[in-house]
Amino acid sequence: DTGVSQDPRHKITKRGQNVTFRCDPISEHNRLYWYRQTLGQGPEFLTYFQNEAQLEKSRLLSDRFSAERPKGSFSTLEIQRTEQGDSAMYLCASSSVEEQYFGPGTRLTVT
Amino acid sequence: SQKIEQNSEALNIQEGKTATLTCNYTNYSPAYLQWYRQDPGRGPVFLLLIRENEKEKRKERLKVTFDTTLKQSLFHITASQPADSATYLCARRSGAGSYQLTFGKGTKLSVIP
Repeated sequence: DTGVSQDPRHKITKRGQNVTFRCDPISEHNRLYWYRQTLGQGPEFLTYFQNEAQLEKSRLLSDRFSAERPKGSFSTLEIQRTEQGDSAMYLCASSSVEEQYFGPGTRLTVT
Repeated sequence: SQKIEQNSEALNIQEGKTATLTCNYTNYSPAYLQWYRQDPGRGPVFLLLIRENEKEKRKERLKVTFDTTLKQSLFHITASQPADSATYLCARRSGAGSYQLTFGKGTKLSVIP
């Protein structure tokens, strides 16, 4: 296992379209996190799964965002009706203890 | 809300010197603080974790301290090299019983040859 992977690495979409991102965590990690990062800022927490259960969700997360981790392995993050303000790097991380291991991110550009 | 502040947006130092980065937190002391390195266009990479009952932690040329009185952590890179140039992020648990992390904005370190 070489680490956390994310797909796609880059996504350009038009405003109003739906997009879905995938994250494959390190196989033995039961915790999975999604973060969003904009230029000059640190990662901002979006949501957290322990196995297949979504245990935490940011209050800042719009209803247009939804995440799943159906079998406690990979996870998907969907953004419906994208807006220009959704343009950011979307990072996935996994962990078994406190330290988190991040994937390379998906760069979303909404035009 | 729990906040993390990294006061320096950028730090330039000469190769071979020690770089010192500062992280301050608000409200109650977190159980631990974490430091990550991030290169442009890549995800953060975990470096060190220090718990509130540990004053200091070392890993190779890296050293982290945790001062609960000052509500501050210092991150040191000794004998800095141009390859150490990156953004360094400090993070804390967002709350008791929570596994989500609250990150600072990061400090961009440039090591000049």
